[in-house]
Amino acid sequence: DVKVTQSSRYLVKRTGEKVFLECVQDMDHENMFWYRQDPGLGLRLIYFSYDVKMKEKGDIPEGYSVSREKKERFSLILESASTNQTSMYLCASSPPADRVRTEAFFGQGTRLTVV
Amino acid sequence: AQSVAQPEDQVNVAEGNPLTVKCTYSVSGNPYLFWYVQYPNRGLQFLLKYITGDNLVKGSYGFEAEFNKSQTSFHLKKPSALVSDSALYFCAVRTPNDYKLSFGAGTTVTVRA
Repeated sequence: DVKVTQSSRYLVKRTGEKVFLECVQDMDHENMFWYRQDPGLGLRLIYFSYDVKMKEKGDIPEGYSVSREKKERFSLILESASTNQTSMYLCASSPPADRVRTEAFFGQGTRLTVV
Repeated sequence: AQSVAQPEDQVNVAEGNPLTVKCTYSVSGNPYLFWYVQYPNRGLQFLLKYITGDNLVKGSYGFEAEFNKSQTSFHLKKPSALVSDSALYFCAVRTPNDYKLSFGAGTTVTVRA
């Protein structure tokens, strides 16, 4: 089974801190994603990466950056955390879009609280 | 642009009764459709998908979904709900050559004993 592992389940950070959320997948997937989940809004895509060192902005990239130095690892960075970034963050991975097995696999989520 | 609508924020059913969670989508081209389930403080688990072929697809835990192209719908169904089916359900869509999934807002299902 695919395993997507996020480094922390819960984080509490102070306003202005630089925050790193780490994600590792073990299925050699090309695509990796970071989503933000808020009640009533579903999942919104922050950034995704389709290859090492490649990244593209999603729907809500402001205030975030990402890093993908190795295929299995995708990091989300909050440059200066703010209280409106308090949320559940979900990492996902998937094979290329044209493959038969097309579904994305998700990590367990990181609930971030910025105080 | 692609989008998903889940018209019901909450669905409440009694254990043993049929469960339906509604989803409609909008996409240019052929849709790939997915259902995911999320239990409290957990990530999303894949339930089932429609890619092509038979409009009725079967997935995990006794769930099934019917793709209806004319109504642009992909409703999730279970003939006999269990208390353990209580969770948050998400419908998602993408197109065949696009990696980006668009999610609905989610539907909270509560199954009472």
